[in-house]
Order: sequence, then C-alpha cells, then structure tokens
Amino acid sequence: DIQMTQSPSTLSASVGDRVTISCRATQSVGAWLAWYQQKPGKAPKLLIYAASILGSGVPSRFSGSGSGTEFTLTISSLQPDDSATYYCHQYNDYQYTFGQGTKLEIK
Amino acid sequence: QINLKESGPMLVRPTQTLTLTCTISGFSLTTSGVGVGWIRQPPGKPLEWLALIYWDDDKRYRSSLRNRLTITKDTSKNQVVLRVTNVDPVDSGTYFCAHYTHLFDYWGQGTLVTVSS
Repeated sequence: DIQMTQSPSTLSASVGDRVTISCRATQSVGAWLAWYQQKPGKAPKLLIYAASILGSGVPSRFSGSGSGTEFTLTISSLQPDDSATYYCHQYNDYQYTFGQGTKLEIK
Repeated sequence: QINLKESGPMLVRPTQTLTLTCTISGFSLTTSGVGVGWIRQPPGKPLEWLALIYWDDDKRYRSSLRNRLTITKDTSKNQVVLRVTNVDPVDSGTYFCAHYTHLFDYWGQGTLVTVSS
C-alpha cells in the first residue's frame, strides 16, 4: 500500500500568516492527490483535488501543488476559521490511503 | 444536493457483526462512474478507508480487512450496507460513508460505534 506522510504533525500560526503543509507518498501517485479539512466532530471537507484544483466553494486562500510523491497545501493568509486538522489522500491506487493529519492551531 | 447519512448501532459486543447503513439522496447508484465508500476514524486517529462499491456492483476492500468486510447496495432503497464481522475494540470509531467519483467528494456526518463488552 502507498503510505502518505505529512509534516508537520502540529502547527501553530497567527492570523494572516502563510502556512504550508507537506505530504509525501512512498511511490508516485501522479496528480491523484486530495486535501481535506476536518474540524472536531465533523466530516472531512474536500479542499483540493487533482493536487491543485480548488474544491467547490473553497476560499481562494487555499492552494495545492506538487506531483508524483511530493505535495504541498498552502494557506496564503491564515484565518481563525482555518483551525482544523488537514489530511492528504491519495486516490491513484485503489487501496486508498490518507496521511496521519496535520493539526493547525491559531495562536 | 448530494447527501449521505450513516446509521447503525452505537454499541457492539466483541466477536459480533457490525452492520452499518448509508442512506443516499441527490444522486443515484445506477449512474455510471458513481460509487459509495466507507471510511472510519478511531478516536483521535487518522482516517482509514475500508470499502467501496461502484454503480456496476464492482467492489473494493481494504486488503488487511478483506476477510471481515462485506459491502452491498440496494438501489431501490438508495442504501449501501457495510458489514464488519468478528469486531474487536480496535474497530471502535466514527464510520463515514462518502460519495465517490474518482475520489470521495461528499461525506456523511458519520456514526460513532463503540465495541465493548
């Protein structure tokens, strides 16, 4: 199975900061990579798919990049509502896998 | 508007079979390319994909749990059912169903299951 490793595991940043979360796959997933945002007690919300395409209704401060085995989620200007856990997810291989999550806290 | 809602028991005894139902609306499981998947999340832990059923009844399972999982669909009821046999406390967590078209784009709210004697 393809393993997905995110870094960092936790992140604390201030409103207005630029934030970057990384995701690495153990083998190439092409551009078949999605990012989800999950708040406590809620279902994951799709932010980015195909590595860089913004999901429906997702604010433009979110962006994704990368291909193959290295991917990045960027929040250009952090907002209080962005406090959540973020997961990357590969859907290239049908043994679908998720990263371990990055918990983002607002200072 | 695509919606999914999970239902099932909150508490299951070890060694029993867990049966979960996902009731869908706003889309059809007879539409080419569409599927419904199940993903679970143990408390405080990451997401773990379990199973996926396609519009044509093709099925995929997590390899490590293949012998304990069964996914089926009833298009007349707009439901997808996941069965997990011989449950253990490590199977406790929130179980989500999700709409699939190449990826999981719409998710249900999840249902919390506890496995305990």
